[in-house]
Amino acid sequence: DADVTQTPRNRITKTGKRIMLECSQTKGHDRMYWYRQDPGLGLRLIYYSFDVKDINKGEISDGYSVSRQAQAKFSLSLESAIPNQTALYFCATSAPGDTQYFGPGTRLTVL
Amino acid sequence: ELKVEQNPLFLSMQEGKNYTIYCNYSTTSDRLYWYRQDPGKSLESLFVLLSNGAVKQEGRLMASLDTKARLSTLHITAAVHDLSATYFCAVDIGGSNYQLIWGAGTKLIIKP
Repeated sequence: DADVTQTPRNRITKTGKRIMLECSQTKGHDRMYWYRQDPGLGLRLIYYSFDVKDINKGEISDGYSVSRQAQAKFSLSLESAIPNQTALYFCATSAPGDTQYFGPGTRLTVL
Repeated sequence: ELKVEQNPLFLSMQEGKNYTIYCNYSTTSDRLYWYRQDPGKSLESLFVLLSNGAVKQEGRLMASLDTKARLSTLHITAAVHDLSATYFCAVDIGGSNYQLIWGAGTKLIIKP
């Protein structure tokens, strides 16, 4: 089984809808991250969490919110989706100072 | 502004050739990561470079770090088609807020 899983893998939604992307990890790491990937822009950090009670905004948090339900679970929400939020979203996890392990990604399309 | 710049952003090369991808960064850091991404797939960790002068090798790939020059290189030796992918470097900005600043990626196409 994969160490980092994301659901759904693909999602098409309409402008104004609320959606949630979920991430679970079995690596036992405290640190979890949400990234967005757009073609030619690399990865941009949306939110990160160093433990269940510690959540921080990243580079591009506007329009997004997160919830850390447990050490192993970190969810990303788009309260009112807009077309420029169409992107590939990755969840990642790491131990302090170590490399990050990525989930398979969620391809989100907002019409 | 913290910046991580990779070059080239796109590289097409023939099998059997050698080439180097460069990763320059604008802030002090002694920790740098290289990742690989296949089309439509997730990112896979390749190398973790933790100090000045660090060198890591895996098969036909070799990565190095020069913290004084703020430069890391990913060298490909005798390229093969299977190495076609996008390669990212990411720099740890350190401090209490562990964050990676990512390069835009280098798309590498290796032609048979």
